[in-house]
Amino acid sequence: DTEVTQTPKHLVMGMTNKKSLKCEQHMGHRAMYWYKQKAKKPPELMFVYSYEKLSINESVPSRFSPECPNSSLLNLHLHALQPEDSALYLCASSLGGLLNSPLHFGNGTRLTVT
Amino acid sequence: GQQLNQSPQSMFIQEGEDVSMNCTSSSIFNTWLWYKQDPGEGPVLLIALYKAGELTSNGRLTAQFGITRKDSFLNISASIPSDVGIYFCAGQKETSGSRLTFGEGTQLTVNP
Repeated sequence: DTEVTQTPKHLVMGMTNKKSLKCEQHMGHRAMYWYKQKAKKPPELMFVYSYEKLSINESVPSRFSPECPNSSLLNLHLHALQPEDSALYLCASSLGGLLNSPLHFGNGTRLTVT
Repeated sequence: GQQLNQSPQSMFIQEGEDVSMNCTSSSIFNTWLWYKQDPGEGPVLLIALYKAGELTSNGRLTAQFGITRKDSFLNISASIPSDVGIYFCAGQKETSGSRLTFGEGTQLTVNP
């Protein structure tokens, strides 16, 4: 079982909906990440939070809005998405964003935008 | 952007066979990671490598950090059906902060 928990597992939303993806870890990790993954492709980095502050935004469209309420929780707020945003959204965490601190991934949220 | 060349792209093998896959880059990485991803799940960390020349095993898996710091390989011995999945290499540079560079993945199929 993964120690990074993501909810929901599946989400279908229309282009005018607002929804949120949630991620939780209790490993004491201080860096948390959002990745987007298309089928049979590697994950693509979207955002990094380090010590609850946004440290990396990989030029992600503003219809994706991350939030880190505390060191254990990470949310991704979705609004006015497009069908091409359909993908597996993965959350990950690491000890502190340092080199000797590999990422641990959750099982993802499978998002379908209709 | 940064690229890792991972090969082979796919492999079809018989149960019991050994498997080898590798990643190469034109630039130096400080950390190499190997992940396995099953359908409908997130990538699971298999092996992490931190020093050039390092050889690390995890059960039937063995991975090495190339001496030039530009490559890494993963070997799986005596494959079993549950080894099926996509294997990703990932590299991390000191200058890239928290960014990982992923290979394109190796799809492994094991025939019983």
